[in-house]
Amino acid sequence: AQSVTQLGSHVSVSEGALVLLRCNYSSSVPPYLFWYVQYPNQGLQLLLKYTTGATLVKGINGFEAEFKKSETSFHLTKPSAHMSDAAEYFCAVSEGNTGNQFYFGTGTSLTVIP
Amino acid sequence: EAGVVQSPRYKIIEKKQPVAFWCNPISGHNTLYWYRQNLGQGPELLIRYENEEAVDDSQLPKDRFSAERLKGVDSTLKIQPAELGDSAVYLCASSRTWGNGETQYFGPGTRLLVL
Repeated sequence: AQSVTQLGSHVSVSEGALVLLRCNYSSSVPPYLFWYVQYPNQGLQLLLKYTTGATLVKGINGFEAEFKKSETSFHLTKPSAHMSDAAEYFCAVSEGNTGNQFYFGTGTSLTVIP
Repeated sequence: EAGVVQSPRYKIIEKKQPVAFWCNPISGHNTLYWYRQNLGQGPELLIRYENEEAVDDSQLPKDRFSAERLKGVDSTLKIQPAELGDSAVYLCASSRTWGNGETQYFGPGTRLLVL
């Protein structure tokens, strides 16, 4: 069965510093991996996703993530944090053999300190 | 292209009252999902529709929750009667198909508070 672990429910970074949000998954088959962002009182917006091919995936707003099969990880990074990046971030996984059933992590709240 | 539309955005009711949420998915999206998001948690699937057929409702508490998707477009999720523990954000999402790796697009959600 799939599961998603997001280490660190709260992460604080200074403006301009590196953002690193961690996501590990368990899956018995090659997974499809997603990162979503949720701003206050809004729905989830797709940042990026990995399906097949290149393991380094670039998304919107300068974010990227790298699929590392050996580490069962899909960590989200951004070189330089901006105040507007403050939000809740969710990692999700689905498995090819179960269609598009999404399993979400519990989320990481990112605070950007001016 | 318009996104997923949900209404109302907020709802406050007393326990034992009924409540309904409405969702209009992205045009052309055959698959529609209802999720519940508790405070500090990720979304959890309640029900999935393929066109007008509910193909996965295993997580829907059927004693008090019901849903429908008439004509395979708009959908309504109902709770009757509501309990205190139903307070949460109810998210609707849609995708083109149920295919592998398809992106799910989310609406803004309905925030329900049961008093």
